Amino acid sequence: DADVTQTPRNRITKTGKRIMLECSQTKGHDRMYWYRQDPGLGLRLIYYSFDVKDINKGEISDGYSVSRQAQAKFSLSLESAIPNQTALYFCATSKGGGGNQPQHFGDGTRLSIL
Amino acid sequence: KQEVTQIPAALSVPEGENLVLNCSFTDSAIYNLQWFRQDPGKGLTSLLLIQSSQREQTSGRLNASLDKSSGRSTLYIAASQPGDSATYLCAVEFMEYGNKLVFGAGTILRVKS
Repeated sequence: DADVTQTPRNRITKTGKRIMLECSQTKGHDRMYWYRQDPGLGLRLIYYSFDVKDINKGEISDGYSVSRQAQAKFSLSLESAIPNQTALYFCATSKGGGGNQPQHFGDGTRLSIL
Repeated sequence: KQEVTQIPAALSVPEGENLVLNCSFTDSAIYNLQWFRQDPGKGLTSLLLIQSSQREQTSGRLNASLDKSSGRSTLYIAASQPGDSATYLCAVEFMEYGNKLVFGAGTILRVKS
């Protein structure tokens, strides 16, 4: 089984719908992240959480919300999806306790908003 | 605003060639620089992490260097193989930005057999 699992892997939905993307990890890491990837722009940070009670906005948090249900689970919600949120979404984890820790990524969720 | 730039955006080489991918960043105050590989339909795989106090890291045929003063890193791939074909991403953990990564847009590498 993958260490960082994202569900669903693919999703097509309509403008205005509420969507939840889920991420679970078996690595025992404290830190979890949500990114989106757009062609030619690399990955951009949406939200991050350094422990269960810590939630922080990233570079592009508008239109998104998150929930850290447990150390192993971090969900990303789009309250009212719009077409420019069509992108590839990645969840990542890393150890806590300071920097210089590599991040470990899930396989991504391809989201299309019609 | 801290930024990471990767050149070239795409590269095509014959099998067996040695190659260099470039990454530049705007602020020398960093914790580390990381190189990732991304295969189509897959997530990112961490290749090498260079801490700010280090000059280079090696893993197999891969060697990454770091020059903080000039804001540059290179990823050297020796004796390239078709299996090396992927997108390579550079990411920097800037001190001012906290324990978060800023990514470049990536270099798409194709190794022809």
